[in-house]
Amino acid sequence: GNSVTQMEGPVTLSEEAFLTINCTYTATGYPSLFWYVQYPGEGLQLLLKATKADDKGSNKGFEATYRKETTSFHLEKGSVQVSDSAVYFCALSDLSYDKVIFGPGTSLSVIP
Amino acid sequence: KAGVTQTPRYLIKTRGQQVTLSCSPISGHRSVSWYQQTPGQGLQFLFEYFSETQRNKGNFPGRFSGRQFSNSRSEMNVSTLELGDSALYLCASTLGTSDGKLFFGEGSRLTVL
Repeated sequence: GNSVTQMEGPVTLSEEAFLTINCTYTATGYPSLFWYVQYPGEGLQLLLKATKADDKGSNKGFEATYRKETTSFHLEKGSVQVSDSAVYFCALSDLSYDKVIFGPGTSLSVIP
Repeated sequence: KAGVTQTPRYLIKTRGQQVTLSCSPISGHRSVSWYQQTPGQGLQFLFEYFSETQRNKGNFPGRFSGRQFSNSRSEMNVSTLELGDSALYLCASTLGTSDGKLFFGEGSRLTVL
């Protein structure tokens, strides 16, 4: 079945450091890929998405490129801020209906 | 535009009891999905409803059930609660166009003692 794997956390970075969170997926067909973020005490919210191979999703300085050849969708940001501290979830959508499958999440802490 | 509203936000139950959680989607959204979030298992898909019909179901026992009403509001019920049911239950709504863009509520945190 479809699944998503993410790098283990927690990840701790200093402010202005470069961020990469690895994500790989297993799926049949051509799913859409997503990154969701969950700030402390809040529900998840969509950060960015990509719907086909080589698409790049971007938002709030975060980027991720849909790589079909490596089945990956790694999240990157050039300079993290304390306010980026959150849990990040990689996800894919089942093509039939609104069934979104999430990875286990990666906790990020950014220290001043 | 009001977001997804879940009630109650927090609740404590004892083993063997049952619980009903409610979710009001964003106005105009016809699809509602439920997820269970735990530290060990992450986000696990429970089920998805569209226009009062269950379209997808995850791998949970029959103690977990749900329904959707004609106004798109949804409820989920867990019967014969077990300690392992302690979790954050998240509801998400979408237009139902299968674009995967979910709008989440803040969740209902269930503690089973």
